[in-house]
Amino acid sequence: KNEVEQSPQNLTAQEGEFITINCSYSVGISALHWLQQHPGGGIVSLFMLSSGKKKHGRLIATINIQEKHSSLHITASHPRDSAVYICAVRPGGTSYGKLTFGQGTILTVHP
Amino acid sequence: NAGVTQTPKFQVLKTGQSMTLQCAQDMNHEYMSWYRQDPGMGLRLIHYSVGAGITDQGEVPNGYNVSRSTTEDFPLRLLSAAPSQTSVYFCASSYHRDRGNEKLFFGSGTQLSVL
Repeated sequence: KNEVEQSPQNLTAQEGEFITINCSYSVGISALHWLQQHPGGGIVSLFMLSSGKKKHGRLIATINIQEKHSSLHITASHPRDSAVYICAVRPGGTSYGKLTFGQGTILTVHP
Repeated sequence: NAGVTQTPKFQVLKTGQSMTLQCAQDMNHEYMSWYRQDPGMGLRLIHYSVGAGITDQGEVPNGYNVSRSTTEDFPLRLLSAAPSQTSVYFCASSYHRDRGNEKLFFGSGTQLSVL
């Protein structure tokens, strides 16, 4: 079993829909990152969470440390949101830069 | 700032050849890492560095060497390429300003094929 599990693996939505991507992990962590990988391959950091909730534009990320679970929400989805969304954790007590990744969620938003 | 610069973007090698993937960042970040991305497996850590002169192994280090002689550069060396090293490679750097403030920056990736 992977240390970091994402669900769903594939997600198809219509433009305007509210989207949720989930990330569960099995170890204690110091930080959790949400990343976006564009169809061209580039990877961009969206959020880093150690507790609570963060919001940036139409993106909201939450984390529940006790339940070892995080969610990424996209409100009013748009075709340009189509990408792979990746969850990554830094286990507690490990160095910055030493991350374990989920397999990613492929999101396709249709107009 | 150029961010994280990774070269080359594409490379084809024959089995047994050696090569170096270059990675440079101009943000004065202490932490740099190399990852490989394979279909269905997600990103996996190869090697990482916490500062100039300090490197350590990640999850899949075999067949790769790294060095960090300066803060800016973190090259990844394939000693004797094998077909199993066919993958997409990403270099990343990160900073942390204070507790709970940490951000990752990725290079654009190198698609490597070993024949």
